[in-house]
Amino acid sequence: KAGVTQTPRYLIKTRGQQVTLSCSPISGHRSVSWYQQTPGQGLQFLFEYFSETQRNKGNFPGRFSGRQFSNSRSEMNVSTLELGDSALYLCASSSDPYNEQFFGPGTRLTVL
Amino acid sequence: QKEVEQNSGPLSVPEGAIASLNCTYSDRVSQSFFWYRQYSGKSPELIMSIYSNGDKEDGRFTAQLNKASQYVSLLIRDSQPSDSATYLCAVNNGYGGSQGNLIFGKGTKLSVKP
Repeated sequence: KAGVTQTPRYLIKTRGQQVTLSCSPISGHRSVSWYQQTPGQGLQFLFEYFSETQRNKGNFPGRFSGRQFSNSRSEMNVSTLELGDSALYLCASSSDPYNEQFFGPGTRLTVL
Repeated sequence: QKEVEQNSGPLSVPEGAIASLNCTYSDRVSQSFFWYRQYSGKSPELIMSIYSNGDKEDGRFTAQLNKASQYVSLLIRDSQPSDSATYLCAVNNGYGGSQGNLIFGKGTKLSVKP
């Protein structure tokens, strides 16, 4: 079974721009969660989608948004990028309700 | 504020020894507990999940859960240099409808010396 895939793997943007990241879950998985990982804060939960509905949201500003499509693929968007948004963005999928989450390789975002 | 605490390490053990990694969590209603391994520059890889009090063994790995003490641990037997990585403890939020929210500790860096 193919794992979680994320595109692009690397991104360089400048402050004020916006960015869209994509995630394709493991086949059959309907839950997709997004996390931000930084050296200082560690792994922090952004949001979770299940059957195209946002089921959970972490403590991030409204500049961070996401959506899920009918095929379970998910995108997250960050608008008006700030230097502090530089991080590894990780997507994880799970076959609810077992909730074991499997991570994709991540997208490394650098904001200049 | 729900928290997951881990000793940041580094934890250094000789090859062949047992590595013991510990984690405490603050939310009593947490239901599911996970250990992830993360190599430098890579994404986290799930190595163990545990849901009930007691021990769960998988190869060289044993996860231990004590909900009364809000404590979960990971033992790695016969440690190998390839086990050198950061180990992340993750705890499920635990409330109905919110099972997609994992709270992670900052991780313990393990170094296995040949």
